[in-house]
This record gives sequence, C-alpha cells and structure tokens, in this order.
Amino acid sequence: AQSVAQPEDQVNVAEGNPLTVKCTYSVSGNPYLFWYVQYPNRGLQFLLKYITGDNLVKGSYGFEAEFNKSQTSFHLKKPSALVSDSALYFCAVSSPGDGGFKTIFGAGTRLFVKA
Amino acid sequence: EAGVTQFPSHSVIEKGQTVTLRCDPISGHDNLYWYRRVMGKEIKFLLHFVKESKQDESGMPNNRFLAERTGGTYSTLKVQPAELEDSGVYFCASSQVMTGELFFGEGSRLTVL
Repeated sequence: AQSVAQPEDQVNVAEGNPLTVKCTYSVSGNPYLFWYVQYPNRGLQFLLKYITGDNLVKGSYGFEAEFNKSQTSFHLKKPSALVSDSALYFCAVSSPGDGGFKTIFGAGTRLFVKA
Repeated sequence: EAGVTQFPSHSVIEKGQTVTLRCDPISGHDNLYWYRRVMGKEIKFLLHFVKESKQDESGMPNNRFLAERTGGTYSTLKVQPAELEDSGVYFCASSQVMTGELFFGEGSRLTVL
C-alpha cells in the first residue's frame, strides 16, 4: 500500500537555526513529491514540488527540499528559521493509479520556532 | 482571483442527522478533490472529480457519503446519516492538472455529537 510517513509530530528549533522536517514515502513508480504548509484556521498552501531533475528543489518562503531516491525521502529544509515559519507542515506524494493521479498526505509535523 | 471556498466552516450536528458540505473550486479547475482529516492523523483522500465525473472514489468510507458535482462547477458532499466517527475537518481542493499542486479551501469542520 502507498503511504507517506512524517516521523516527528513536532519539531522545535530556535530562530536563526537551520530546520529539517522529515518525510519518507512508499509508492510504486516515480512519484511527484510535494510539501504544503497550514497556518491556523487556513487551508493548506503549496510550498514546493519535485517532479524530476535536480534533487534539491527550492520553494516559497526560503524553503527547499532534498529528494533522495535510495532512501525514498523528501526532507524539507530551511537554512535559517523564522518565528513566522511556525505552522503545520504536510508532505504529499502523487502517483498514478487506476483513477488517474492520486495525492496522499502524511499526518503532518508541527514546527515551532522559538524567538 | 477567488480561491477555493468551502461552506459551512463549522457544523455541529447530532448522530443520525444529515449534513451537506459545499465546495466552490477555482474557476477553470477541472479537478476537484475531497479529503478528510481526523484529529492528529493524516489527511485522507476521499474522492476525485474531473469535471462532473467521479474519477476515483476509492476513499469514500461507506454509502452514507454521497458526493456530487453537477455541471462540473461546485461540489457537495452529503453525509446521511452522520455517525460519531465522521467528525473531522473536510477539505476540498482543486487543480488545473492532475499532476499539479492542489489549491485548498479552509476546510469544513464537522462535529457529530
């Protein structure tokens, strides 16, 4: 069965420090990989995606993610965290199926950046 | 450009009652998705429309859930009769292409008492 795992319920980091939010996946074929962010009382917002090419992709708000095929991981990173980055982050994988492409999500990781 | 809008934002009903959730996707987006998130768990896929057709409804929990998208514009998700385990946040999303990013609404929080 296809799945997305975000092993950490919460990540705590001090402002100015680098951050990493982990994601691993289990799907067949070559999936498309996404990160979304949810701020309180808002819908999910797209951050970045990987389809093919360079394993390091850059996205909104200074975030980037590294695709590692051998480890089936797609960790979200940022060199210097801001307090305003505090939010809920979801990793997602889109892969072809009988009904076209289906996007499945992880359980989310809450990022808390302390001033 | 208006985003994806969902109504109501919050609904509290008693077990056995009926609730209908509505989603208006971004204009021109043929793909419309429904997802549900139960507290602290993953965002679970329910179904996918392409225009007015159900492309994939493999995630629908049971026949108490009915989704429609008449005319290929807005969509409704009806739960009848509602059970306690149906509580959660129901998200609607739309996209221009299946492989593109999803644009989400703010969600409809359903509480079944």
